[in-house]
Amino acid sequence: AQKVTQAQTEISVVEKEDVTLDCVYETRDTTYYLFWYKQPPSGELVFLIRRNSFDEQNEISGRYSWNFQKSTSSFNFTITASQVVDSAVYFCALRPNTGFQKLVFGTGTRLLVSP
Amino acid sequence: DSGVTQTPKHLITATGQRVTLRCSPRSGDLSVYWYQQSLDQGLQFLIHYYNGEERAKGNILERFSAQQFPDLHSELNLSSLELGDSALYFCASSAWGDTGELFFGEGSRLTVL
Repeated sequence: AQKVTQAQTEISVVEKEDVTLDCVYETRDTTYYLFWYKQPPSGELVFLIRRNSFDEQNEISGRYSWNFQKSTSSFNFTITASQVVDSAVYFCALRPNTGFQKLVFGTGTRLLVSP
Repeated sequence: DSGVTQTPKHLITATGQRVTLRCSPRSGDLSVYWYQQSLDQGLQFLIHYYNGEERAKGNILERFSAQQFPDLHSELNLSSLELGDSALYFCASSAWGDTGELFFGEGSRLTVL
């Protein structure tokens, strides 16, 4: 069975603070994909990143960085120098690499960045 | 803009009614997925179509049905609506053979009164 756990329901920070959103997953598959999506107040789901289970290199994109650790089944997301526009709900998701399988989402972490 | 178009964006209806939500996938994408997002259930997979054929079913109620047409657009039909069906319904698409990311539309917000 596939499962994604985002234990942090809501995080509040002040602008310019760094913040890390945790994601822990469970799967019996040997190959899979992990994702992060952002859902701003307007409601749409915006794709942020995809990571293949064979690629454990960390990735940085501007103020965003992702730390994938297979040994702990974690795929954490860090926002450096947070901004008000980062306020959103962030979802971590898992998808097995076996055909046309659905994404399994975590419950999301609401990030509130205040000025 | 993801390239996935959903209509209507908002819909208010009464219990017992039937509604149809429409989705146009990204150009060239053969796969369409439907998800339901509610406060108590989170993001739940409903159903997946690939090139007109149903490929996978998730937690979709028998009162709900979907189809994908030859032009690849998809419709989600919700009937005998109940208060608990109020939710944000997302459509997503992906390319053939792609095991990567899904591209989501802006969602259709359904309110059942």
